[in-house]
Amino acid sequence: DTGVSQDPRHKITKRGQNVTFRCDPISEHNRLYWYRQTLGQGPEFLTYFQNEAQLEKSRLLSDRFSAERPKGSFSTLEIQRTEQGDSAMYLCASSLAIGNYGYTFGSGTRLTVV
Amino acid sequence: AQSVTQPDIHITVSEGASLELRCNYSYGATPYLFWYVQSPGQGLQLLLKYFSGDTLVQGIKGFEAEFKRSQSSFNLRKPSVHWSDAAEYFCAVDNAGNMLTFGGGTRLMVKP
Repeated sequence: DTGVSQDPRHKITKRGQNVTFRCDPISEHNRLYWYRQTLGQGPEFLTYFQNEAQLEKSRLLSDRFSAERPKGSFSTLEIQRTEQGDSAMYLCASSLAIGNYGYTFGSGTRLTVV
Repeated sequence: AQSVTQPDIHITVSEGASLELRCNYSYGATPYLFWYVQSPGQGLQLLLKYFSGDTLVQGIKGFEAEFKRSQSSFNLRKPSVHWSDAAEYFCAVDNAGNMLTFGGGTRLMVKP
């Protein structure tokens, strides 16, 4: 297992378009997290899953943001009707629910809305 | 709610000099604390973590951090900085395993 994979690495989209990002966690990790990082800031928590259950979604930035993890493996983050303010790095992380050995982050998807 | 403060936005040190990056946190319970490093355009790499026990924690790349409960601090140190250490460093606190709260980061520049 090579770690947490995110696809695509970069996405440029026009304002108003929908975008979807994919995250493949470390295979034995049952928790998966999404964060957003804007320029010059620390990452900001958005949502997380344990297996296929989304246990926290109140931090999603608006109802234009949604995430799924249908089979408890990979996850997708969708942003509908993108706005310029959505331009950011979207980071995925995974961890084990028990033992708290820390979080492993992917390399992120850089979104630019033009 | 928990919060993390990194007072220094930018730090510049000479190669070979020692380094200390400051981190203060606000958290009601015993914290789980982390330091991550991020190179430009990249994800976050874990340097070290503190859960319990010895308050001096050793990490990768020669970094260490000391947990001081009385000061609510978890400062990162390195005795001799290398040019490859230039990056952004983030301190974070774990909310019972459900999410990380990050500080704003400290950008480290290394002078030759």
